[in-house]
Amino acid sequence: QKEVEQNSGPLSVPEGAIASLNCTYSDRGSQSFFWYRQYSGKSPELIMSIYSNGDKEDGRFTAQLNKASQYVSLLIRDSQPSDSATYLCAVNEEGGGADGLTFGKGTHLIIQP
Amino acid sequence: DVKVTQSSRYLVKRTGEKVFLECVQDMDHENMFWYRQDPGLGLRLIYFSYDVKMKEKGDIPEGYSVSREKKERFSLILESASTNQTSMYLCASSHMTGLSQETQYFGPGTRLLVL
Repeated sequence: QKEVEQNSGPLSVPEGAIASLNCTYSDRGSQSFFWYRQYSGKSPELIMSIYSNGDKEDGRFTAQLNKASQYVSLLIRDSQPSDSATYLCAVNEEGGGADGLTFGKGTHLIIQP
Repeated sequence: DVKVTQSSRYLVKRTGEKVFLECVQDMDHENMFWYRQDPGLGLRLIYFSYDVKMKEKGDIPEGYSVSREKKERFSLILESASTNQTSMYLCASSHMTGLSQETQYFGPGTRLLVL
């Protein structure tokens, strides 16, 4: 049973600070990793993908991957109230076919003005 | 941009009714998915399809069926709606690269209330 674990939160961060969201996964065969943002009552939207060990930056967002530790994280710099949402981590198994993507349950992030 | 659309944003049905939820994607994706999402339970996969007329059960298929007659369209059917099927239903689609799927893109969701 493939598992993706996230702290459900809520994680409360003051405006302007760095928000750090973490995700661990159980399947060592995982090769691609995704972060989705989901506002309350809305559907998930993709914000970052990462495939190689190390950091990947996109604007205020940085995804970090450590395959040896089976750990992926998302950093949000200069946090804004509009970043308040639930963040879903998703992990894809190499060659896993159409059902190879496993989602975590999400971390609820609150940015305090 | 990938676009996934769902037939309704909100739906109210009565117990025992047959309910159809439709999803259409415009990116020629091979894979399509139906999830339901409930507070504290995360996304749960109901059914998915990797090709026209092909369907596979997900984690919670009981009480649901699906149909994929065209590549761009994937329908979820509740044969006899029950109150425990009140939920947010999300459709998603993805492209295959070899034996691996790329990221999934979601539709806006349908919030279903069964009375």
